[in-house]
Amino acid sequence: DQQVKQNSPSLSVQEGRISILNCDYTNSMFDYFLWYKKYPAEGPTFLISISSIKDKNEDGRFTVFLNKSAKHLSLHIVPSQPGDSAVYFCAARAYNNNDMRFGAGTRLTVKP
Amino acid sequence: DTGVSQDPRHKITKRGQNVTFRCDPISEHNRLYWYRQTLGQGPEFLTYFQNEAQLEKSRLLSDRFSAERPKGSFSTLEIQRTEQGDSAMYLCASSPPGTGGSPLHFGNGTRLTVT
Repeated sequence: DQQVKQNSPSLSVQEGRISILNCDYTNSMFDYFLWYKKYPAEGPTFLISISSIKDKNEDGRFTVFLNKSAKHLSLHIVPSQPGDSAVYFCAARAYNNNDMRFGAGTRLTVKP
Repeated sequence: DTGVSQDPRHKITKRGQNVTFRCDPISEHNRLYWYRQTLGQGPEFLTYFQNEAQLEKSRLLSDRFSAERPKGSFSTLEIQRTEQGDSAMYLCASSPPGTGGSPLHFGNGTRLTVT
């Protein structure tokens, strides 16, 4: 059962524009959400997170938005840079549960 | 900053052979996780240790798989009688003590190819 879904396998944007990556989840017990970035031949690297008590968290060029009623979160990158080109994974975890669930990933390509 | 270290980076083995992977977590992290990732998918949870105790195992972890963390530091993942379906990237991650929101810190993985 895929509890975390990233329905767009790929996204291409122009340098300087905004990148918006989307993620949907089905488990209402999830209360902690994360985004990871993965370059080829490397493990996923933590990018930004948000707890369910918030609807927005910002860190530099990266902002994560959480819409609990829609069970949807998104990652905004602005302005996008070529170095942001990577696979982005959405992940979620329920309180006191050690099983962090990941989406299938979205490959972002930022064109110069 | 010595991150999570995994060894080997790549392993090619013949079907039916046993393989063992090692993970060294970040030193102050008492929580250690094993994940498996196949092409086009996100990481899938396999098992979790808190210190030396294995507290959770996914049903994905068949009885051919065994993981240990004998002294609460490094961990090993062994796959016995490998099958072609075991070909995947095996990722180890660690996180510090505490509850709630702590991100996992991943190693660069061990890529297993079963021929």
